[in-house]
Amino acid sequence: DTEVTQTPKHLVMGMTNKKSLKCEQHMGHRAMYWYKQKAKKPPELMFVYSYEKLSINESVPSRFSPECPNSSLLNLHLHALQPEDSALYLCASSQDSGTQNQPQHFGDGTRLSIL
Amino acid sequence: EDQVTQSPEALRLQEGESSSLNCSYTVSGLRGLFWYRQDPGKGPEFLFTLYSAGEEKEKERLKATLTKKESFLHITAPKPEDSATYLCAVQKRGKLIFGQGTELSVKP
Repeated sequence: DTEVTQTPKHLVMGMTNKKSLKCEQHMGHRAMYWYKQKAKKPPELMFVYSYEKLSINESVPSRFSPECPNSSLLNLHLHALQPEDSALYLCASSQDSGTQNQPQHFGDGTRLSIL
Repeated sequence: EDQVTQSPEALRLQEGESSSLNCSYTVSGLRGLFWYRQDPGKGPEFLFTLYSAGEEKEKERLKATLTKKESFLHITAPKPEDSATYLCAVQKRGKLIFGQGTELSVKP
């Protein structure tokens, strides 16, 4: 079991749907991350939140909208996705986004399929 | 350009056959090198952090080492349960730059 919890584990949605992915951590970490991972590829960074503020947006399309309601929660709101957005979406957290030697701890992801 | 390269892409071992995975990097201002293990359908599981050249870390059958240009993950007498994809990543300005991973398969 990981200390970063993601829900749901699986999600199937149509291109016109609106859905949200949720992530929760109780390790007291102040940095949280969203990654996208395609099969046989490494995770690709999407967003970084540091102390509940968006600090990095890796030029992600606006159909992905992150939200950090508090230091333990991270959401990713999805709207009008494309079939190529089907992937494993991973959440991670770390003590601080700028502190060296601090590893990121990952959840087990949400497997997203766009019909 | 910052880059992380892992080799081999895939490695098949017999149970008990020791080997090493390589991670070479070209990153200015290295803030840490990390090894992760990822099982199919799961998120990456943190294994080790290395920062200084010459540093070594061990965990069960795994040993990670670091030089100024590369890191090795040595696997001693592997078991089938060690089968997974091993990812190397370097940290820079709050981001992890991942290598492509090595898919390890250990047969009984």
